[in-house]
Amino acid sequence: TQLLEQSPQFLSIQEGENLTVYCNSSSVFSSLQWYRQEPGEGPVLLVTVVTGGEVKKLKRLTFQFGDARKDSSLHITAAQPGDTGLYLCLSNFGNEKLTFGTGTRLTIIP
Amino acid sequence: NAGVTQTPKFRILKIGQSMTLQCTQDMNHNYMYWYRQDPGMGLKLIYYSVGAGITDKGEVPNGYNVSRSTTEDFPLRLELAAPSQTSVYFCASSYGSPVGEQFFGPGTRLTVL
Repeated sequence: TQLLEQSPQFLSIQEGENLTVYCNSSSVFSSLQWYRQEPGEGPVLLVTVVTGGEVKKLKRLTFQFGDARKDSSLHITAAQPGDTGLYLCLSNFGNEKLTFGTGTRLTIIP
Repeated sequence: NAGVTQTPKFRILKIGQSMTLQCTQDMNHNYMYWYRQDPGMGLKLIYYSVGAGITDKGEVPNGYNVSRSTTEDFPLRLELAAPSQTSVYFCASSYGSPVGEQFFGPGTRLTVL
């Protein structure tokens, strides 16, 4: 079973600060997606990365896919309360069975 | 489009009871998935389907069964409910390959007492 480890598990920071969360595996990702889940709802896709070294930006969010395709990071600049949620990475390791990461629960304090 | 719909939203079962969680999507997606999410945790794949008539086990299939007789519907069956199956269940669908965007339903919160 391939594992996706996310760190940190919990993060609580003040509004306006920057932060980075990580998603790591011992296996090579075929592709990787980041989702955000708000309480009482299903996850919503933020981005898909497929190429080693790829960097994608979505407003204040920057996603990076490691060169070796075994890790990914999500950086948020000037965090806002609306960024609060559970951030999940999702990968398929070259097959149809999808694996979610353990999740990072982010709280932005106004 | 309604997207992915799930019923019921909430359910309490007694140990040993059975039930079916319904999932329907109106986006003509070929891939459909069932996940469970335990409190404070990520999602774990129970079963998935790549098209009508085809299903396969995910990471945690024990205690569950699925069927996919149509493109739109992907029900999840619990035959003998156990307290360990207390969780929130999410159904999702995607178009094309597994790397396509997954669209999630609102979830079913199940408690087994």
